[in-house]
Amino acid sequence: NAGVMQNPRHLVRRRGQEARLRCSPMKGHSHVYWYRQLPEEGLKFMVYLQKENIIDESGMPKERFSAEFPKEGPSILRIQQVVRGDSAAYFCASSPPSGQGNQPQHFGDGTRLSIL
Amino acid sequence: GESVGLHLPTLSVQEGDNSIINCAYSNSASDYFIWYKQESGKGPQFIIDIRSNMDKRQGQRVTVLLNKTVKHLSLQIAATQPGDSAVYFCAESNAGGTSYGKLTFGQGTILTVHP
Repeated sequence: NAGVMQNPRHLVRRRGQEARLRCSPMKGHSHVYWYRQLPEEGLKFMVYLQKENIIDESGMPKERFSAEFPKEGPSILRIQQVVRGDSAAYFCASSPPSGQGNQPQHFGDGTRLSIL
Repeated sequence: GESVGLHLPTLSVQEGDNSIINCAYSNSASDYFIWYKQESGKGPQFIIDIRSNMDKRQGQRVTVLLNKTVKHLSLQIAATQPGDSAVYFCAESNAGGTSYGKLTFGQGTILTVHP
């Protein structure tokens, strides 16, 4: 089974541009989570989505950031008008539908976003 | 605010020794805990988890201990190998004993295993 796939692995943007980060969950998984990690820090929760629904976005900045998980296709984390402080590693995790027993969140290898 | 933190930021051991990585948490409502291993340039890799209705859980070469009285979690690695060198994170949630929801991560402990 393929794991959680994130692309691109590295993304460079200039200030003011838009960044789009993609996440394909593990096969059969319907829950997706996005986390941000700054150097030498733990991961910080951003948003939790199920297909076509945002369940918890308490960790996501109110402005410039948005996330979606459409019925078809990958989950997208979108950052508009990027600033230098957005430079970080962004990780996606997924888990299977509830009712299949408690299973931990499985992570992708992240997208490293650098803002020039 | 509530947080999960680690006592020791770095740990160096000799190959073959046992390692113990500690974690303190402050949210008494937390009911599910996970340990992840993160190697350079990679995402967190699941090691072991435990629900709050348990005190101990064992896996292959790893044991997680949970002390709810003092809100302390530890990861024990037996016969540590150079391949165990990585950053280790504890994480917690309060989603009814499941991982369906926000995970709160600690800062991380760097484990270095010397051959």
